[in-house]
Amino acid sequence: GIQVEQSPPDLILQEGANSTLRCNFSDSVNNLQWFHQNPWGQLINLFYIPSGTKQNGRLSATTVATERYSLLYISSSQTTDSGVYFCAVDPSTSGTYKYIFGTGTRLKVLA
Amino acid sequence: NAGVMQNPRHLVRRRGQEARLRCSPMKGHSHVYWYRQLPEEGLKFMVYLQKENIIDESGMPKERFSAEFPKEGPSILRIQQVVRGDSAAYFCASSPPAGREDTGELFFGEGSRLTVL
Repeated sequence: GIQVEQSPPDLILQEGANSTLRCNFSDSVNNLQWFHQNPWGQLINLFYIPSGTKQNGRLSATTVATERYSLLYISSSQTTDSGVYFCAVDPSTSGTYKYIFGTGTRLKVLA
Repeated sequence: NAGVMQNPRHLVRRRGQEARLRCSPMKGHSHVYWYRQLPEEGLKFMVYLQKENIIDESGMPKERFSAEFPKEGPSILRIQQVVRGDSAAYFCASSPPAGREDTGELFFGEGSRLTVL
């Protein structure tokens, strides 16, 4: 099956710093989402981005589907950005959205 | 517009008891997915349901686990005779029916955390 690798696995930043999180996947995908799981365990949709670039405030994401990777950019990080960031991909063409999650990047932002 | 609603948020059961987790999809959504997150891991697909139909249950354990999405009411994930290894966060997600609004994006609830003593 498709493999989803995220890097780095862990990241510690000082407040205000910028960072780039990467998601590599081993096969073509039809759907791709980025999520933030906060320290309370809630899963928050960040981007639905099977291709192209999107921006939402301090966050932006780019997916290059032909090269099988996606990037999540966090600028001017804040302590509330702490948590785990998951990339999830769906390779199916059947309309069943069986997303495969990566193992996540654990981010800690220090005040 | 309310999001995906799950309850209970936290559930504690003793080994051998039954656990029932409920999920109400977003308004207008008719497709429900259940995912499980074991400690320190990513989420894993369990089952995909539409009203009164199980479409894909390839991620469900073969025994003790069942899911339903009745014509009326929430979707229910049922775990019988729970064991300690069932301790996890169970997330529900929903998507709209096939059509213009169905982009492939899933919307997740806040999860139900099951602890088996």
